[in-house]
Amino acid sequence: QSVLTQPPSASGTPGQRVTISCSGSSSNIGSNYVYWYQQLPGMAPKLLIYKNDQRPSGVSDRFSGSKSGTSASLAISGVRSEDEADYYCAAWDDFLSTDVVFGGGTKLTVL
Amino acid sequence: EVQLVESGGGLVQPGGSVRLSCAASGFTFGSYAMKWVRQAPGKGLEYVASVSSDGGSAFYTNSVKGRFTISRDNSEDTVYLQMGYLSAEDMAVYYCARVGIGAVGLEYWGRGTLVTVSS
Repeated sequence: QSVLTQPPSASGTPGQRVTISCSGSSSNIGSNYVYWYQQLPGMAPKLLIYKNDQRPSGVSDRFSGSKSGTSASLAISGVRSEDEADYYCAAWDDFLSTDVVFGGGTKLTVL
Repeated sequence: EVQLVESGGGLVQPGGSVRLSCAASGFTFGSYAMKWVRQAPGKGLEYVASVSSDGGSAFYTNSVKGRFTISRDNSEDTVYLQMGYLSAEDMAVYYCARVGIGAVGLEYWGRGTLVTVSS
């Protein structure tokens, strides 16, 4: 049971906008930044979004992040087949004796 | 180019120990904190341990406290994870990751090394 809750799966057809949610609490998302990581099949994770809504250089502007209260979302506009991957949200938690907590991950399927 | 290359994984017996290494290149290693994150087969990501840039501070997730030790050698640009009293629950791919400065997250990851715990 992950501290941050994500839907196990999401799907979309090419060109659609897909949104992945991440729900937490006041001790993590509610008071800290949210990060998103993309893990392509068989690959290491890659930083996609930092500080709730910032994109590292080189990350497509089709990816965007947002946060409201104790929830966050990752949006992928114009989804492509190469976006098929697992997506993880992460945040620091002020109460747990671990410095970063991850969501359980969402597998995105492009139909 | 930033590179992180993990090594040291393999087959370990239950109750055994192993030391993982992560060799860094392409950046000023001593300026960055480092983390180990693991992923059990078919499962999600789990934070394991972190070490400050100078090696003076180390933090662990509860399940590995007292069994794992993270350390670094800034003269060798390498971070280590000494793992002991291993059980099946520790079987995973172990990734090292560079912690970005200014709360930018885990900005670079290695490809990981697999630790298999089995008799």
